[in-house]
Amino acid sequence: SQTIHQWPATLVQPVGSPLSLECTVEGTSNPNLYWYRQAAGRGLQLLFYSVGIGQISSEVPQNLSASRPQDRQFILSSKKLLLSDSGFYLCAWSINSGGYGYTFGSGTRLTVV
Amino acid sequence: AQSVTQLDSHVSVSEGTPVLLRCNYSSSYSPSLFWYVQHPNKGLQLLLKYTSAATLVKGINGFEAEFKKSETSFHLTKPSAHMSDAAEYFCVVSAGNAGNMLTFGGGTRLMVKP
Repeated sequence: SQTIHQWPATLVQPVGSPLSLECTVEGTSNPNLYWYRQAAGRGLQLLFYSVGIGQISSEVPQNLSASRPQDRQFILSSKKLLLSDSGFYLCAWSINSGGYGYTFGSGTRLTVV
Repeated sequence: AQSVTQLDSHVSVSEGTPVLLRCNYSSSYSPSLFWYVQHPNKGLQLLLKYTSAATLVKGINGFEAEFKKSETSFHLTKPSAHMSDAAEYFCVVSAGNAGNMLTFGGGTRLMVKP
């Protein structure tokens, strides 16, 4: 069966520090991978998606970046965090065709102080 | 283009009474529709999905939703609310476009009173 792992679960970082959140998927090949952010009291915002290794599409301009160094690994990064980067970050995967929905990771609660 | 509107940001029901969470969508294509549930500080869990088969879809935990093309609606219902149903619910549409991306509604917070 397929599983998705996302870590860390919680993170407190000072303004201006770097960020690296990691997401890995097991049990499937060539998945579509996604990073979403959920700000407090708001819906989900798509940040990045990837349909293959090294292929990253950005939906929202920001100081975040994403990389996909391996087929089932998706990393969200920042060189310098802003207070506005605080939120709940969710990684998700889907199969590479059709409207079958996503499977989400358990999320990372990021607080920038 | 596609969009999703969840008509109520908050819904409050008493335990044992019916639940109705409303969702309307728009899509240029034949959509797939989903309902996800999110408990506090948790990831999202798929409740049910419609992908052009039966219009009445049954999901987990006693939830179901009916796809009504003429009304562009996909409302989520449950005959009898349980305390454990208290959570945030998201209606989601996918038009099978590039990247298989989903468009999320703004969410409905369901509160269940004892």
